Amino acid sequence: LAKTTQPISMDSYEGQEVNITCSHNNIATNDYITWYQQFPSQGPRFIIQGYKTKVTNEVASLFIPADRKSSTLSLPRVSLSDTAVYYCLVGVVNTDKLIFGTGTRLQVFP
Amino acid sequence: NAGVMQNPRHLVRRRGQEARLRCSPVKGHSHVYWYRQLPEEGLKFMVYLQKENIIDESGMPKERFSAEFPKEGPSILRIQQVVRGDSAAYFCASSPSGPSTGEKLFFGSGTQLSVL
Repeated sequence: LAKTTQPISMDSYEGQEVNITCSHNNIATNDYITWYQQFPSQGPRFIIQGYKTKVTNEVASLFIPADRKSSTLSLPRVSLSDTAVYYCLVGVVNTDKLIFGTGTRLQVFP
Repeated sequence: NAGVMQNPRHLVRRRGQEARLRCSPVKGHSHVYWYRQLPEEGLKFMVYLQKENIIDESGMPKERFSAEFPKEGPSILRIQQVVRGDSAAYFCASSPSGPSTGEKLFFGSGTQLSVL
């Protein structure tokens, strides 16, 4: 299974850019990288997904280097409402479950 | 366009009672996953089901826990003879197809189980 490693927590201030890096050294060739966001007392919510290089949507950007052994979720100009736990998942081909790690707890201060 | 619906939102049980958690997936989704989350911890995979079939239950305790996803109706996670250690948030997720590369999960708001 492709295991992921993320920082346990990060702090930021409103208006700053936040970059959360996830390591996945044994990612398989066909695996995608997916990030979810979870607010307290709610289920996780899909943020962004990518395979290689860079993906951008209205919420975030995802940067994946050529070796794909890591990925970085970039949140531009965070606000207080971005305070949440962010999970990095690596899809495992031909298995039947998606494994969540412990996630990164982002705290945004005013 | 309803998302994943879980009920009840909160469930209180005394030790030894049964807990039944329900999950209605997104309309048209035939794959359901159950996760458990303890306070300040990540989500732990429990079981993956398709309609009328359990595909992977490797994360679910062998005793007291069972899950089903019948042809008609919601998926049910059943915990018999609950103990205090079962207190947790239980999340259900659904997807239109299996967890192949690139699949996205849609999560419900969870059921908070409290065992007294």
